[in-house]
Amino acid sequence: QITLKESGPTLVKPTQTLTLTCTFSGFSLTTSGVGVGWIRQPPGKALDWLALIYWDDDKRYSPSLKSRLTITKDTSKNRVVLTMTNVDPMDTATYYCVYSVQEVAGTSFDYWGRGTLVTVSS
Amino acid sequence: QSVLTQPPSASGTPGQRVTISCSGGSSNIGSNYVYWYQQLPGTAPKLLIFRNNLRPSGVPDRFSGSTSGTSASLAISGLRSEDEADYYCAAWDDSLRGVLFGGGTKLTVL
Repeated sequence: QITLKESGPTLVKPTQTLTLTCTFSGFSLTTSGVGVGWIRQPPGKALDWLALIYWDDDKRYSPSLKSRLTITKDTSKNRVVLTMTNVDPMDTATYYCVYSVQEVAGTSFDYWGRGTLVTVSS
Repeated sequence: QSVLTQPPSASGTPGQRVTISCSGGSSNIGSNYVYWYQQLPGTAPKLLIFRNNLRPSGVPDRFSGSTSGTSASLAISGLRSEDEADYYCAAWDDSLRGVLFGGGTKLTVL
């Protein structure tokens, strides 16, 4: 059974760095084709893909946020960490961790965590 | 603003068939798989359709996906009240080298 759980601060001040951790079980991030990603959803708005890290340490970032994001993995602890620098109130959102399968012509998000709401406010 | 364009809303009565469109371009839908996600109120999204028209185990065959050129569609037949949710299309974009989501369609069952 694949599960993912997000953890991190619920409140962050503007200009600070946000660090989110995804702790997963039921799969290994050393398995070919497997990845873990982050997707966010501002209140009442659409899904917004942020980043992906694959089994071979290939990393992909949203072009609009690339300069502010870093994604890393710790396969021994079954964890993936996303850091976002210089946060702004516009970054207020529910952040989801997802299990991803890399395909020849796309990538699916097969399993989702429950999400964690992060509010950016002074 | 999403590069994948969906209608903001759709509606139907129980038993009806409804379709939700997703319009993109040659660098995304035109050359890569389309995925659909269902988000029930207050919950995390769930994969509904993958590789344009395949259903994960457990997804009823009332849900079907199709593509044509740079557009995709999600069809729901035999509409039920529990289908009331937000639906999102998604695809990899070769130019952006990342995943694009549509703006989402809120389905109301009247």
